Amino acid sequence: DAGVIQSPRHEVTEMGQEVTLRCKPISGHDYLFWYRQTMMRGLELLIYFNNNVPIDDSGMPEDRFSAKMPNASFSTLKIQPSEPRDSAVYFCASGRLSGAGETQYFGPGTRLLVL
Amino acid sequence: GEDVEQSLFLSVREGDSSVINCTYTDSSSTYLYWYKQEPGAGLQLLTYIFSNMDMKQDQRLTVLLNKKDKHLSLRIADTQTGDSAIYFCAESFDTDKLIFGTGTRLQVFP
Repeated sequence: DAGVIQSPRHEVTEMGQEVTLRCKPISGHDYLFWYRQTMMRGLELLIYFNNNVPIDDSGMPEDRFSAKMPNASFSTLKIQPSEPRDSAVYFCASGRLSGAGETQYFGPGTRLLVL
Repeated sequence: GEDVEQSLFLSVREGDSSVINCTYTDSSSTYLYWYKQEPGAGLQLLTYIFSNMDMKQDQRLTVLLNKKDKHLSLRIADTQTGDSAIYFCAESFDTDKLIFGTGTRLQVFP
């Protein structure tokens, strides 16, 4: 299995532009998580899905952020309009409940820089 | 409440043992995890322990759990330069999500 795939790996954009981050989870996993990592705030859970349905979006910073999961093999995180404070590494992770509880597998991340 | 705390930095000499500590506040946690993040990469699951266990050993890794004190530790024996990374502890309980700690940056010097 190729693991969790994220694209793009790097994104540089100007303030006010729309940014779309993409994620392909591991096949067979029914949970998908979006995280944001910064030096100041550490690792933050933004939103997660179970069977393509959003379960908890309490970590989404504000209305500029939205996430969708139209099917089991694809999810997007959109920021519109983007701001410099959105600069961070965004991780997607997928997982499933098993005998080891909730094990999550992380993608390589998208490094976003908003100028 | 949900809060997982770790010390920020740890520096050890190559060949020595490293001990990374973690405290959590939710005594109902069922599983506790250790993840490793290498530079420029995502988090990778290292090991996990079920809450009814006190210890788990996996090659160079030893996980100790003290439920009374809500304390979790990860010991790395014979630490190598390749072990330099950020280590996160995490807990899960009845919800589907993990609560991650702040991460401990381990630096191994020759």
